[in-house]
Amino acid sequence: DSGVTQTPKHLITATGQRVTLRCSPRSGDLSVYWYQQSLDQGLQFLIQYYNGEERAKGNILERFSAQQFPDLHSELNLSSLELGDSALYFCASSVSSGGSTDTQYFGPGTRLTVL
Amino acid sequence: LAKTTQPISMDSYEGQEVNITCSHNNIATNDYITWYQQFPSQGPRFIIQGYKTKVTNEVASLFIPADRKSSTLSLPRVSLSDTAVYYCLVPVYNQGGKLIFGQGTELSVKP
Repeated sequence: DSGVTQTPKHLITATGQRVTLRCSPRSGDLSVYWYQQSLDQGLQFLIQYYNGEERAKGNILERFSAQQFPDLHSELNLSSLELGDSALYFCASSVSSGGSTDTQYFGPGTRLTVL
Repeated sequence: LAKTTQPISMDSYEGQEVNITCSHNNIATNDYITWYQQFPSQGPRFIIQGYKTKVTNEVASLFIPADRKSSTLSLPRVSLSDTAVYYCLVPVYNQGGKLIFGQGTELSVKP
């Protein structure tokens, strides 16, 4: 158990809908990262928040947005969903803002299925 | 831009030692090398991290030569449960210094 929690574990929805994924980081961690992993694909970095502020952006679509709240939990909002958005979405957390020694701890993921 | 190259897949048998080599020719002077393990449908798990020479923990060893342009993850006496994808990471500075996951090495351990 990494200490990172994600809800829900599974989500099934229809095209065009909007969903919210939630992540609670490990106690004491200030950074939250979001990743997308499609079937047989690598982990795609989406976005990072550090202490409530956006820190880095990766391959995040304009239909997706995220935020980190004062209690440091984070939400990833996915809207106008398409079939291709079906994937595992992982949240990770780390102590500081990044760098080669800032180990990321991953949550169990949310499996999103868009029908 | 620090990029890593590692084999896409490897096969092994139970009880053997497995060595996965990763090249990172452009690693920056102060950067560490980090390895993660990922089982299907689970989030990656930190295995080991090192800067130079040799690092060992209860799971694996990491060997880094003096020029630090490569590193080798060594898994002693693998079992079926070591079947997973292994990622070698160094920071990528055109992505804000983040650890960007590549394709990794898919290790398959057979009985």
